[in-house]
Amino acid sequence: AQSVTQLGSHVSVSEGALVLLRCNYSSSVPPYLFWYVQYPNQGLQLLLKYTTGATLVKGINGFEAEFKKSETSFHLTKPSAHMSDAAEYFCAVSGMDSSYKLIFGSGTRLLVRP
Amino acid sequence: ETGVTQSPTHLIKTRGQQVTLRCSSQSGHNTVSWYQQALGQGPQFIFQYYREEENGRGNFPPRFSGLQFPNYSSELNVNALELDDSALYLCASSLDVNTEAFFGQGTRLTVV
Repeated sequence: AQSVTQLGSHVSVSEGALVLLRCNYSSSVPPYLFWYVQYPNQGLQLLLKYTTGATLVKGINGFEAEFKKSETSFHLTKPSAHMSDAAEYFCAVSGMDSSYKLIFGSGTRLLVRP
Repeated sequence: ETGVTQSPTHLIKTRGQQVTLRCSSQSGHNTVSWYQQALGQGPQFIFQYYREEENGRGNFPPRFSGLQFPNYSSELNVNALELDDSALYLCASSLDVNTEAFFGQGTRLTVV
């Protein structure tokens, strides 16, 4: 069965600093991996996804993530945090049954200090 | 703006009541999935409908049921509401089962 662990329920960075949000997954088959962002009182927006191919994935708003099979990780990074990046971030793995349902981690709240 | 709309945005129900939540999928999308997001947690998969048939179900009791209509809009019904059903309910539509899911803004359900 697939599962996702996000380390750190809250991460605080200064504006302009590196953002690193950690995600580890468990999957018995090659996974599809996702990062979503959720702003207050809104739904989820896809930041980026890994399915096959290049392990470094670039997404929207300057975010990127690297799939590391040996470490079962898919950490999200951004070189320079902006105030508008403050939100909740969810890592997810796609279930490999017929529904390809998303299995989410518990989320990491990113706080950006001025 | 994902083109997926949910109604209502908020509602309050009493324990034991029944509730229906609605979702209008993005045009051309034949797959809809519903998720429950409790406060401070990640979304959990409730079920998925593909071309009006249930195509997968999460670990939710039978009092959670759904429908998908020929125009691919969808409903989530919850009977015999419990306090723990208080959550944000998210609908996501996709072009097909294995393509990108687009989420609506959610319906915040409070059970008192």
